[in-house]
Amino acid sequence: GAVVSQHPSRVICKSGTSVKIECRSLDFQATTMFWYRQFPKQSLMLMATSNEGSKATYEQGVEKDKFLINHASLTLSTLTVTSAHPEDSSFYICSAFVVSGGADTQYFGPGTRLTVL
Amino acid sequence: TQLLEQSPQFLSIQEGENLTVYCNSSSVFSSLQWYRQEPGEGPVLLVTVVTGGEVKKLKRLTFQFGDARKDSSLHITAAQPGDTGLYLCAGATSGTYKYIFGTGTRLKVLA
Repeated sequence: GAVVSQHPSRVICKSGTSVKIECRSLDFQATTMFWYRQFPKQSLMLMATSNEGSKATYEQGVEKDKFLINHASLTLSTLTVTSAHPEDSSFYICSAFVVSGGADTQYFGPGTRLTVL
Repeated sequence: TQLLEQSPQFLSIQEGENLTVYCNSSSVFSSLQWYRQEPGEGPVLLVTVVTGGEVKKLKRLTFQFGDARKDSSLHITAAQPGDTGLYLCAGATSGTYKYIFGTGTRLKVLA
């Protein structure tokens, strides 16, 4: 099946620094990728829709200036958490969306655990 | 904002028992998916249902999409410890590829 990778898998940073997370589709192209955030023992919350070559669409309550998304190619989307604070500590998961023969499928990455000290 | 409520939130059962997880919403979905997630990993797709009343089986797992496409259920027969995990439903409304996830059901199957 299609593989999506995320890098890094874990990151620890100091408060006030910025962290970039990469999401790559390894063997297929995806014009649409999604970014989710998951707090401990909770479900996934959609943050934004990343579209190749255009601006990301953010969900209500998600600060676009804090969570910068860039989808520069059909295989790479990046999420940058700017001026990170401890409350940004979470599990960030991306997915790449593929429509094939009328069947839509999301392929999820393995997630990135962000800890802000 | 559409909400997908799952019940129960937590479930701890003995190996061999049957269980059903429910996913309910007031919204109509064009597509509904079920995922299973292990700790520290991304969700893994189990099934996609798109037709009201549709029933799909995956070994010991049976998925049903409600006739009105507002709800769904996941039934596991003869649960095994390997079924332990977080089960998530996710729905997309017509005209969008954006999936909203349910509140999740954490299942623990004891040997």
